[in-house]
Amino acid sequence: DADVTQTPRNRITKTGKRIMLECSQTKGHDRMYWYRQDPGLGLRLIYYSFDVKDINKGEISDGYSVSRQAQAKFSLSLESAIPNQTALYFCATSDLPRGGPQETQYFGPGTRLLVL
Amino acid sequence: AQTVTQSQPEMSVQEAETVTLSCTYDTSENNYYLFWYKQPPSRQMILVIRQEAYKQQNATENRFSVNFQKAAKSFSLKISDSQLGDTAMYFCAFIGSSNYKLTFGKGTLLTVNP
Repeated sequence: DADVTQTPRNRITKTGKRIMLECSQTKGHDRMYWYRQDPGLGLRLIYYSFDVKDINKGEISDGYSVSRQAQAKFSLSLESAIPNQTALYFCATSDLPRGGPQETQYFGPGTRLLVL
Repeated sequence: AQTVTQSQPEMSVQEAETVTLSCTYDTSENNYYLFWYKQPPSRQMILVIRQEAYKQQNATENRFSVNFQKAAKSFSLKISDSQLGDTAMYFCAFIGSSNYKLTFGKGTLLTVNP
């Protein structure tokens, strides 16, 4: 079984609709992240959460909101989808290693979203 | 702010040959991690290899190795004995000790030809 799962894997929606992308992990990590990937731009951070009560905006949070329902679950919502939110969305998790602040992030399989 | 630059948008290599992908970065930090992620057509982001900046020894993982030049802020990936399954987009990424966010390069599309 995959350690980080995302649902749905693909989604087509219309402008103005509200949609939610979900992420679950079995790695036991405290930290979770939502990234967006656009062609030619690499990945950019939308929101991140260091624990259930700690949620922070990333570099491109406008138009998005998140909910950390539990340590293992982190959802991303588009309140009113627009076409330029068409992208590939990734959830990632990480944990602080002992003895250092650096961390490795592990990614889910991605959700491809098309907003018409 | 950190930046990561991958100057080769596309590369190709013959099966069984060796290829090197380039990455440079800019940071004022002294303690950080560098990563190479692979994204095959399945879209999954797969960690290939990572390097701690405080370690002088270059990281290796089977056919994958890095050439880490801290003074030059260079972090290249060498793939030996290339296989068809290595065909993918490869992303170089950076994370510093003072933050949480992975900074990605724009990627290099590697095609392994039979």
